[in-house]
Amino acid sequence: LAKTTQPISMDSYEGQEVNITCSHNNIATNDYITWYQQFPSQGPRFIIQGYKTKVTNEVASLFIPADRKSSTLSLPRVSLSDTAVYYCLVGVPGTASKLTFGTGTRLQVTL
Amino acid sequence: DTGVSQDPRHKITKRGQNVTFRCDPISEHNRLYWYRQTLGQGPEFLTYFQNEAQLEKSRLLSDRFSAERPKGSFSTLEIQRTEQGDSAMYLCASSPSALGGDTEAFFGQGTRLTVV
Repeated sequence: LAKTTQPISMDSYEGQEVNITCSHNNIATNDYITWYQQFPSQGPRFIIQGYKTKVTNEVASLFIPADRKSSTLSLPRVSLSDTAVYYCLVGVPGTASKLTFGTGTRLQVTL
Repeated sequence: DTGVSQDPRHKITKRGQNVTFRCDPISEHNRLYWYRQTLGQGPEFLTYFQNEAQLEKSRLLSDRFSAERPKGSFSTLEIQRTEQGDSAMYLCASSPSALGGDTEAFFGQGTRLTVV
C-alpha cells in the first residue's frame, strides 16, 4: 500500500475551516483515498473516500488533484467536537486485505 | 444492528495470564479485522478473516496470539502468557466484501488491555 505523510498536529479555532493535506506520492492507479476520524478511547470512524477530483458528504469534502499524489480533507466550520486524530489511508477498497494507518494528524479545536 | 461490538471494553490482567476478547461484527459483513493500537500511534494490523477463513496474519501476531472466527460470525482473539508489552487497545473492524470504491470498514470501540 502507498505510504502517506500527514502533519503531526494542527490547531484551529471553532468556526474556522480546516484543511488537512496528505501526501501519497506512490499512489497506484487503482488506489482510493480514505480518511478516518478517531476520538480518544474509540475506534476509527470512516469520514470520506474518493478517487479523483472532489467528493463531498455531510461531514467533509475531499479534494484530489489530477496527479493524485496528494489529497486534502476539508472540514467546514469546525466545532470543539471535531477535536480528534485524522488518518489518511491509500489502497484498494474491497480488495486490500488490510488498512494501513500512519500516525495521523491530531486536530485541536479551541474557542 | 448497532455496529461492531467488542467485549469486554476494559481488561486488567496479571502478567502471565491468558485473556480472550470477543468481537461481533455487523451481521452482513463477511470481512473481519483485528488491530492493535498503542498510545500516540495509529492502529496496527494484526489479522484478517474472510468469513471463517483467516487469510492474513501480521508478523506482530506472535505465537502467543491466536484468533478464530467460527462459522464466519463472531471472532475471538486470545493472548496467552500476557506480557506488559501487550498492553494496548485491541480494535475489531468489519466490512462487506466488495470490489471497487465506496467500501468502508466499521470499527468497534475496542478492548483496552492493561497487563500489570
